[in-house]
Amino acid sequence: QKEVEQDPGPLSVPEGAIVSLNCTYSNSAFQYFMWYRQYSRKGPELLMYTYSSGNKEDGRFTAQVDKSSKYISLFIRDSQPSDSATYLCAQPTGGGYQKVTFGTGTKLQVIP
Amino acid sequence: NAGVTQTPKFRVLKTGQSMTLLCAQDMNHEYMYWYRQDPGMGLRLIHYSVGEGTTAKGEVPDGYNVSRLKKQNFLLGLESAAPSQTSVYFCASSYTRAGGQDTGELFFGEGSRLTVL
Repeated sequence: QKEVEQDPGPLSVPEGAIVSLNCTYSNSAFQYFMWYRQYSRKGPELLMYTYSSGNKEDGRFTAQVDKSSKYISLFIRDSQPSDSATYLCAQPTGGGYQKVTFGTGTKLQVIP
Repeated sequence: NAGVTQTPKFRVLKTGQSMTLLCAQDMNHEYMYWYRQDPGMGLRLIHYSVGEGTTAKGEVPDGYNVSRLKKQNFLLGLESAAPSQTSVYFCASSYTRAGGQDTGELFFGEGSRLTVL
């Protein structure tokens, strides 16, 4: 079992829609999670990070962690064509949490 | 500010050939990582380093070797390339471990596309 599992998509939505991207995790020892965004033919970039459970909001983006169900979610409000990218959830893993394990990524297309 | 630079950006190899991918970062980061990205598999960690002179195995280390002789450079070597190593390779660096004293944000290069025939 992968430590971080992610819905593969692809996901296609109309401009202005609310987008929900989801991951599940198996390691509960370290409650720190990240969302990276990757545009086509580019390297990933950190979008948001969050500790433990609850919500974290940054503009149109909200990251949510549900410890009871081991669920990580990223919500995008008022989605824009510029949000079209692959979104990867990630978690520190391994001894000393020196490694970062990524989900497989969900490809999102926002149609104008 | 260059950030993380990977060379070469593209390479085609024949089975059995060897090559080295170079990653250079100018942010004085301690941690460096090599990932490969394949369709449906996501980013998988090959090897990583937590400081100059150190290396450690990641999730898929077989067929690869690495070296970190200088803090700013992290080299990934393929001694005898196989078609299964056809992939996009990403190098990343961070100041500290993720979730540590700061965010541990990984800064990625733009990728090196390798095809093994």
